[in-house]
Amino acid sequence: QKEVEQDPGPLSVPEGAIVSLNCTYSNSAFQYFMWYRQYSRKGPELLMYTYSSGNKEDGRFTAQVDKSSKYISLFIRDSQPSDSATYLCAMKETSGSRLTFGEGTQLTVNP
Amino acid sequence: SQTIHQWPATLVQPVGSPLSLECTVEGTSNPNLYWYRQAAGRGLQLLFYSVGIGQISSEVPQNLSASRPQDRQFILSSKKLLLSDSGFYLCAWSLRGGNYGYTFGSGTRLTVV
Repeated sequence: QKEVEQDPGPLSVPEGAIVSLNCTYSNSAFQYFMWYRQYSRKGPELLMYTYSSGNKEDGRFTAQVDKSSKYISLFIRDSQPSDSATYLCAMKETSGSRLTFGEGTQLTVNP
Repeated sequence: SQTIHQWPATLVQPVGSPLSLECTVEGTSNPNLYWYRQAAGRGLQLLFYSVGIGQISSEVPQNLSASRPQDRQFILSSKKLLLSDSGFYLCAWSLRGGNYGYTFGSGTRLTVV
Protein backbone atom coordinates (compact mmCIF):
# COMPACT_ATOMS: atom_id res chain seq x y z
CA GLN A 1 0.00 0.00 0.00
CA LYS A 2 1.31 3.44 -0.91
CA GLU A 3 1.81 5.96 1.86
CA VAL A 4 -0.16 8.54 -0.12
CA GLU A 5 -3.09 7.71 -2.37
CA GLN A 6 -4.40 10.16 -4.94
CA ASP A 7 -6.99 9.51 -7.64
CA PRO A 8 -5.20 10.11 -10.94
CA GLY A 9 -8.38 11.17 -12.73
CA PRO A 10 -8.61 12.54 -15.32
CA LEU A 11 -11.16 14.99 -13.96
CA SER A 12 -13.05 17.19 -16.41
CA VAL A 13 -15.32 20.03 -15.25
CA PRO A 14 -17.03 23.03 -16.85
CA GLU A 15 -15.72 26.51 -16.27
CA GLY A 16 -17.05 27.99 -13.03
CA ALA A 17 -17.45 24.64 -11.28
CA ILE A 18 -16.16 23.90 -7.80
CA VAL A 19 -13.38 21.34 -7.96
CA SER A 20 -12.48 18.99 -5.12
CA LEU A 21 -9.14 17.20 -5.19
CA ASN A 22 -8.25 14.71 -2.48
CA CYS A 23 -5.49 12.59 -1.03
CA THR A 24 -5.50 9.98 1.70
CA TYR A 25 -2.45 8.86 3.60
CA SER A 26 -1.46 6.16 6.05
CA ASN A 27 1.49 7.70 7.92
CA SER A 28 0.17 9.40 11.05
CA ALA A 29 3.53 11.17 11.47
CA PHE A 30 2.83 13.49 8.53
CA GLN A 31 2.50 17.05 9.82
CA TYR A 32 3.17 19.26 6.79
CA PHE A 33 0.84 19.15 3.82
CA MET A 34 1.24 20.77 0.43
CA TRP A 35 -0.42 21.02 -2.91
CA TYR A 36 1.54 21.49 -6.11
CA ARG A 37 0.25 22.47 -9.53
CA GLN A 38 2.06 21.19 -12.61
CA TYR A 39 1.33 22.46 -16.08
CA SER A 40 2.19 20.23 -19.01
CA ARG A 41 5.94 20.00 -19.61
CA LYS A 42 6.71 22.27 -16.64
CA GLY A 43 8.03 21.70 -13.16
CA PRO A 44 5.56 21.54 -10.23
CA GLU A 45 4.94 24.81 -8.40
CA LEU A 46 3.88 25.07 -4.79
CA LEU A 47 0.26 26.16 -4.58
CA MET A 48 -0.78 25.72 -0.97
CA TYR A 49 0.95 24.80 2.26
CA THR A 50 -0.59 23.87 5.61
CA TYR A 51 0.70 22.62 8.91
CA SER A 52 -1.23 20.03 10.92
CA SER A 53 -5.04 20.12 10.77
CA GLY A 54 -7.29 22.91 9.65
CA ASN A 55 -8.14 25.03 6.67
CA LYS A 56 -6.19 27.56 4.66
CA GLU A 57 -7.62 29.84 2.02
CA ASP A 58 -5.82 31.72 -0.74
CA GLY A 59 -8.04 33.40 -3.27
CA ARG A 60 -10.06 30.74 -5.08
CA PHE A 61 -8.11 27.92 -3.44
CA THR A 62 -8.83 26.29 -0.08
CA ALA A 63 -6.76 23.52 1.46
CA GLN A 64 -8.21 21.33 4.19
CA VAL A 65 -6.44 18.82 6.39
CA ASP A 66 -8.28 16.25 8.51
CA LYS A 67 -5.60 14.37 10.41
CA SER A 68 -8.11 12.22 12.27
CA SER A 69 -9.26 10.78 8.94
CA LYS A 70 -5.83 11.06 7.28
CA TYR A 71 -7.44 12.98 4.46
CA ILE A 72 -6.53 16.22 2.74
CA SER A 73 -8.42 18.22 0.16
CA LEU A 74 -7.90 21.10 -2.22
CA PHE A 75 -10.95 23.04 -3.32
CA ILE A 76 -10.93 25.33 -6.34
CA ARG A 77 -13.84 27.75 -6.59
CA ASP A 78 -14.98 29.34 -9.83
CA SER A 79 -12.61 27.12 -11.78
CA GLN A 80 -11.00 28.60 -14.89
CA PRO A 81 -9.48 27.00 -18.00
CA SER A 82 -6.12 28.24 -16.72
CA ASP A 83 -6.54 25.86 -13.76
CA SER A 84 -6.17 22.92 -16.14
CA ALA A 85 -3.10 21.10 -14.86
CA THR A 86 -2.00 18.14 -12.80
CA TYR A 87 -2.32 18.65 -9.04
CA LEU A 88 -0.02 16.74 -6.72
CA CYS A 89 -0.38 16.48 -2.98
CA ALA A 90 2.75 16.16 -0.85
CA MET A 91 3.34 15.47 2.82
CA LYS A 92 6.17 15.51 5.29
CA GLU A 93 6.94 14.34 8.78
CA THR A 94 8.27 16.75 11.38
CA SER A 95 11.77 15.27 11.21
CA GLY A 96 13.84 15.02 8.05
CA SER A 97 13.24 16.82 4.80
CA ARG A 98 11.69 14.03 2.74
CA LEU A 99 8.45 14.88 0.92
CA THR A 100 6.12 12.05 -0.04
CA PHE A 101 4.12 12.85 -3.15
CA GLY A 102 0.84 11.56 -4.47
CA GLU A 103 0.68 10.42 -8.07
CA GLY A 104 -1.19 13.56 -9.15
CA THR A 105 -4.71 14.25 -10.44
CA GLN A 106 -5.08 15.57 -13.98
CA LEU A 107 -7.70 18.33 -14.13
CA THR A 108 -9.24 19.88 -17.24
CA VAL A 109 -11.54 22.89 -16.98
CA ASN A 110 -13.59 23.29 -20.13
CA PRO A 111 -14.62 26.80 -21.29
CA SER B 1 14.95 35.91 -4.07
CA GLN B 2 15.86 32.31 -4.72
CA THR B 3 15.90 30.90 -8.22
CA ILE B 4 16.69 27.49 -9.63
CA HIS B 5 18.07 26.93 -13.10
CA GLN B 6 17.99 23.64 -14.91
CA TRP B 7 19.24 22.90 -18.40
CA PRO B 8 18.87 21.84 -21.09
CA ALA B 9 15.09 21.92 -21.47
CA THR B 10 15.03 19.16 -24.07
CA LEU B 11 17.57 16.53 -24.95
CA VAL B 12 17.61 13.66 -27.44
CA GLN B 13 20.45 11.22 -26.95
CA PRO B 14 21.32 7.87 -28.55
CA VAL B 15 21.46 4.70 -26.51
CA GLY B 16 24.91 4.20 -25.02
CA SER B 17 25.82 7.90 -24.99
CA PRO B 18 26.76 9.78 -21.81
CA LEU B 19 24.51 12.23 -20.00
CA SER B 20 25.09 15.34 -17.94
CA LEU B 21 22.24 17.46 -16.61
CA GLU B 22 23.05 20.49 -14.52
CA CYS B 23 21.09 22.35 -11.91
CA THR B 24 22.09 25.49 -10.03
CA VAL B 25 20.38 27.43 -7.26
CA GLU B 26 20.81 31.13 -6.57
CA GLY B 27 19.94 33.24 -3.58
CA THR B 28 20.35 30.69 -0.81
CA SER B 29 23.10 28.80 0.96
CA ASN B 30 23.36 25.17 2.09
CA PRO B 31 20.20 24.04 0.33
CA ASN B 32 19.05 20.46 0.17
CA LEU B 33 19.08 19.42 -3.49
CA TYR B 34 17.05 16.72 -5.21
CA TRP B 35 16.81 14.96 -8.57
CA TYR B 36 13.46 13.48 -9.57
CA ARG B 37 12.28 11.59 -12.62
CA GLN B 38 8.72 11.70 -13.85
CA ALA B 39 7.51 9.19 -16.42
CA ALA B 40 4.64 10.25 -18.70
CA GLY B 41 1.40 10.40 -16.73
CA ARG B 42 3.11 9.18 -13.59
CA GLY B 43 4.18 10.57 -10.28
CA LEU B 44 7.56 11.80 -9.10
CA GLN B 45 10.32 9.30 -8.42
CA LEU B 46 13.11 10.54 -6.17
CA LEU B 47 16.48 9.57 -7.65
CA PHE B 48 19.06 11.38 -5.51
CA TYR B 49 19.20 13.93 -2.76
CA SER B 50 22.05 15.87 -1.23
CA VAL B 51 22.40 17.74 2.06
CA GLY B 52 25.86 19.14 1.32
CA ILE B 53 28.85 19.23 -0.99
CA GLY B 54 29.92 15.72 -1.90
CA GLN B 55 27.06 14.17 0.10
CA ILE B 56 24.78 12.16 -2.16
CA SER B 57 22.09 9.69 -1.21
CA SER B 58 20.72 7.36 -3.85
CA GLU B 59 17.13 6.24 -3.66
CA VAL B 60 16.92 3.88 -6.60
CA PRO B 61 19.79 1.70 -7.92
CA GLN B 62 20.07 2.46 -11.60
CA ASN B 63 22.14 3.64 -14.48
CA LEU B 64 22.46 7.17 -13.12
CA SER B 65 24.71 8.98 -10.68
CA ALA B 66 24.72 12.41 -9.11
CA SER B 67 27.37 14.79 -7.87
CA ARG B 68 27.43 18.04 -5.95
CA PRO B 69 30.75 19.73 -6.66
CA GLN B 70 29.65 23.10 -5.25
CA ASP B 71 27.12 24.16 -2.63
CA ARG B 72 24.50 25.24 -5.14
CA GLN B 73 25.29 22.95 -8.06
CA PHE B 74 23.82 19.51 -8.59
CA ILE B 75 24.67 17.31 -11.57
CA LEU B 76 22.94 14.19 -12.84
CA SER B 77 25.07 11.89 -14.98
CA SER B 78 25.15 8.62 -16.82
CA LYS B 79 28.04 6.91 -18.57
CA LYS B 80 25.81 4.96 -20.97
CA LEU B 81 22.16 5.80 -21.47
CA LEU B 82 19.48 3.14 -21.77
CA LEU B 83 16.12 3.46 -23.49
CA SER B 84 14.51 3.19 -20.07
CA ASP B 85 16.28 6.38 -18.97
CA SER B 86 13.87 8.45 -21.05
CA GLY B 87 11.68 10.72 -18.98
CA PHE B 88 11.20 14.15 -17.50
CA TYR B 89 13.98 15.03 -15.04
CA LEU B 90 13.38 17.61 -12.37
CA CYS B 91 15.80 19.27 -10.02
CA ALA B 92 14.52 20.78 -6.78
CA TRP B 93 15.85 22.53 -3.71
CA SER B 94 14.61 23.06 -0.19
CA LEU B 95 15.67 24.67 3.03
CA ARG B 96 17.32 22.32 5.51
CA GLY B 97 14.15 21.01 7.13
CA GLY B 98 12.09 21.02 3.97
CA ASN B 99 9.08 22.13 6.01
CA TYR B 100 8.07 24.72 3.45
CA GLY B 101 8.23 22.35 0.54
CA TYR B 102 10.50 22.07 -2.43
CA THR B 103 11.03 24.49 -5.29
CA PHE B 104 11.36 22.75 -8.62
CA GLY B 105 13.23 23.68 -11.75
CA SER B 106 11.58 23.76 -15.14
CA GLY B 107 12.70 20.23 -15.99
CA THR B 108 14.60 18.45 -18.75
CA ARG B 109 12.75 16.20 -21.14
CA LEU B 110 15.16 13.41 -22.09
CA THR B 111 14.45 11.07 -24.96
CA VAL B 112 16.85 8.19 -25.50
CA VAL B 113 16.67 6.83 -29.04
